[in-house]
Amino acid sequence: AQTVTQSQPEMSVQEAETVTLSCTYDTSESNYYLFWYKQPPSRQMILVIRQEAYKQQNATENRFSVNFQKAAKSFSLKISDSQLGDTAMYFCASLTAYSGAGSYQLTFGKGTKLSVIP
Amino acid sequence: DGGITQSPKYLFRKEGQNVTLSCEQNLNHDAMYWYRQDPGQGLRLIYYSQIVNDFQKGDIAEGYSVSREKKESFPLTVTSAQKNPTAFYLCASSVTGRRNTEAFFGQGTRLTVV
Repeated sequence: AQTVTQSQPEMSVQEAETVTLSCTYDTSESNYYLFWYKQPPSRQMILVIRQEAYKQQNATENRFSVNFQKAAKSFSLKISDSQLGDTAMYFCASLTAYSGAGSYQLTFGKGTKLSVIP
Repeated sequence: DGGITQSPKYLFRKEGQNVTLSCEQNLNHDAMYWYRQDPGQGLRLIYYSQIVNDFQKGDIAEGYSVSREKKESFPLTVTSAQKNPTAFYLCASSVTGRRNTEAFFGQGTRLTVV
């Protein structure tokens, strides 16, 4: 079974500063994808950034970037120039392809509640 | 517009009653998932399905049932056997085996037992 661990239940950051959210995962499969999702108070899940495991290069999306350390099974999210609208729950997730079984499983961490302080 | 739709947004159920939550997607995705989210908690997997007429239990399947008669639809039934059903329920779907794969979510259903 795959697991995703987020060790920081809550974090806060000053507006315009940088913050890093941690995530580790555990899978024995070679084909998988990693995601960070944002859940604002509306509770709609919004994709922040995606990383494909076979790609060495770290993904970036504007102010959001990841540090993907495949050997260490670590996938942290860095938010630069934090904005008030970044206040939300952030979930790390892995989508793992189980070769031979033709199945994929999507597993989430418990989330990190991020507060951006004016 | 393509997307995933959950209904209703709010649902109230009396104790001892079964209730069904709807999830429909027009994204042509093979995989669909149901998650439960409790206050301050992460998403816990209830059931998932990779293809029509096939589904697997997740971590907390007891007291729930699903069906997958059509690719587009994956309804979740919360049965009277679920002892603490009050929660927020999220449905998701994903394309598999292709580049740029990701999971798409519905807007969720808030179920309250009264």
